[in-house]
Amino acid sequence: DADVTQTPRNRITKTGKRIMLECSQTKGHDRMYWYRQDPGLGLRLIYYSFDVKDINKGEISDGYSVSRQAQAKFSLSLESAIPNQTALYFCATSDRGERLDEQFFGPGTRLTVL
Amino acid sequence: ELKVEQNPLFLSMQEGKNYTIYCNYSTTSDRLYWYRQDPGKSLESLFVLLSNGAVKQEGRLMASLDTKARLSTLHITAAVHDLSATYFCAVDLDSRLTFGEGTQLTVNP
Repeated sequence: DADVTQTPRNRITKTGKRIMLECSQTKGHDRMYWYRQDPGLGLRLIYYSFDVKDINKGEISDGYSVSRQAQAKFSLSLESAIPNQTALYFCATSDRGERLDEQFFGPGTRLTVL
Repeated sequence: ELKVEQNPLFLSMQEGKNYTIYCNYSTTSDRLYWYRQDPGKSLESLFVLLSNGAVKQEGRLMASLDTKARLSTLHITAAVHDLSATYFCAVDLDSRLTFGEGTQLTVNP
């Protein structure tokens, strides 16, 4: 079984729709992250959370929001999707005490906004 | 603002040849990671480099870190087709990763 799972794996939606991407992990890690990947730009950090009560903006948080429902769950929402949010989205987890914050990535969600 | 630059961005090489991918970064950090990504797949951790002078090797890949020069290298020895993928370096600053643009490696027979 995968340690970090993301749902859905693929999503096509229309401009203006609200979308939620979900991430769950069974690694027992405290820290969770959301990234987006665009061709030629590497991965960019959207939001991160070091524990259930901690939420922080990353490099590109505008247009996104997150919810840390439990240690194992971290959701990313697009309140009103726009075409330039079309990208591959990755969730990642890490643990400060395990391999010093090495991040482990989920399989990704491919989102297309028409 | 931390900037991470990789070069080359595209690399086409023949099987059996050696080559090096470079990762330069702009702000002091003593923690750097290398990841591999196959097309349409997630990122797979290759190396964790935690101090100046760190060197890690796995098969045909060897990674090193020079924190004074703010430079990491990923050296490929006697490339094989299975190494074709995109390779990313990522620099840790305050427990947040900043990624390079990635190096798309193609190994030709």
